Amino acid sequence: DGGITQSPKYLFRKEGQNVTLSCEQNLNHDAMYWYRQDPGQGLRLIYYSQIVNDFQKGDIAEGYSVSREKKESFPLTVTSAQKNPTAFYLCASSIQGRGTEAFFGQGTRLTVV
Amino acid sequence: AQTVTQSQPEMSVQEAETVTLSCTYDTSESDYYLFWYKQPPSRQMILVIRQEAYKQQNATENRFSVNFQKAAKSFSLKISDSQLGDAAMYFCAYRSEGGAQKLVFGQGTRLTINP
Repeated sequence: DGGITQSPKYLFRKEGQNVTLSCEQNLNHDAMYWYRQDPGQGLRLIYYSQIVNDFQKGDIAEGYSVSREKKESFPLTVTSAQKNPTAFYLCASSIQGRGTEAFFGQGTRLTVV
Repeated sequence: AQTVTQSQPEMSVQEAETVTLSCTYDTSESDYYLFWYKQPPSRQMILVIRQEAYKQQNATENRFSVNFQKAAKSFSLKISDSQLGDAAMYFCAYRSEGGAQKLVFGQGTRLTINP
């Protein structure tokens, strides 16, 4: 079955450590997105990529990094520079084209302990 | 920069009644799409409806319809005959169709359906 897979579902990190969230899609979508969801703030865009080996910063990119070495993969690294990393993270992808729907993964809940 | 604002953090409606969720956006672009997504308690995002900025006719999908006012940059969602399964967070979203297709969301509105 086609879809987007985020792993792990729950992740715990100690302060000062980097951690990488996985996002894989087998939908052959060109565009991929990372969002952070906090209560009352909706979905805030961290990074997005339209094509392999290219990505752009979203509205809250500080403290995060990404790579897009393969079309199907768009991992997000939360670095120690991110001051408040505890949040729910959503990955999405969409096919190129006008008004195309974004498909979302199930999300990763990251908690800093 | 494009921004999307949902000014109603929470809304409630009686089952079978009609409710309207508000959304405004800010952009200097002319070519874009607007979307409403639903996030039920499972947290799985689901597309509800979409609207192309070039089309004057308001989009409809069964019980869901929009009121798109381009000059006012307003994009509200009307849910008719509300059902218990409509209870969810609803997010308004904007996507530019020129160049990088940045997809931006609003803060969300939590909709409660009262039986």
